[in-house]
Amino acid sequence: AQKVTQAQTEISVVEKEDVTLDCVYETRDTTYYLFWYKQPPSGELVFLIRRNSFDEQNEISGRYSWNFQKSTSSFNFTITASQVVDSAVYFCALQRGSSNTGKLIFGQGTTLQVKP
Amino acid sequence: DAMVIQNPRYQVTQFGKPVTLSCSQTLNHNVMYWYQQKSSQAPKLLFHYYDKDFNNEADTPDNFQSRRPNTSFCFLDIRSPGLGDAAMYLCATSKPTGPFNQPQHFGDGTRLSIL
Repeated sequence: AQKVTQAQTEISVVEKEDVTLDCVYETRDTTYYLFWYKQPPSGELVFLIRRNSFDEQNEISGRYSWNFQKSTSSFNFTITASQVVDSAVYFCALQRGSSNTGKLIFGQGTTLQVKP
Repeated sequence: DAMVIQNPRYQVTQFGKPVTLSCSQTLNHNVMYWYQQKSSQAPKLLFHYYDKDFNNEADTPDNFQSRRPNTSFCFLDIRSPGLGDAAMYLCATSKPTGPFNQPQHFGDGTRLSIL
């Protein structure tokens, strides 16, 4: 079975704090893809990153960084020096490499509130 | 800018009255998706089109239909909306290279309310 678990339902931090959003996935596929999306209050889903199962290199993009560890089936997302504009719901998603539909299997999302 | 546009942003309809939601894209992507997202939940895929081929998710109610008259447009028709259909409806597109591993580009969504 394919499953994504985001155990943190809500996180609240004060601006400039670092925050890590956890994502644990389950799949028996050898080829798969992992995604993070941001959903601000306005509603649109904004693509942040895609990772394939063969690339375990961590990635940094400005204040954002991602830690992919196949050994623990985790794909965690860290925001450094958080800002109020980072307040949103963040979704981790899994896509099977064999998928012929492009279906994304979403986690339940983590609501991040960054207070000034 | 190339984008995915959903109209309207907010839609109110009456219980049982058919409603159509619209999605258009300027990305020239082959695949268009419709998701339903209820409050505090993850998006749930309803169906998608790969070009003109329609693919329905097994658990999508018959009440939900879709049309794609051309590459740019896709419509979601709810034939007899019930109170449980109140949700945000998200349209997304992607251009497959290999096995559907390209990120999906989402529109702003249409928030549907049922009176």
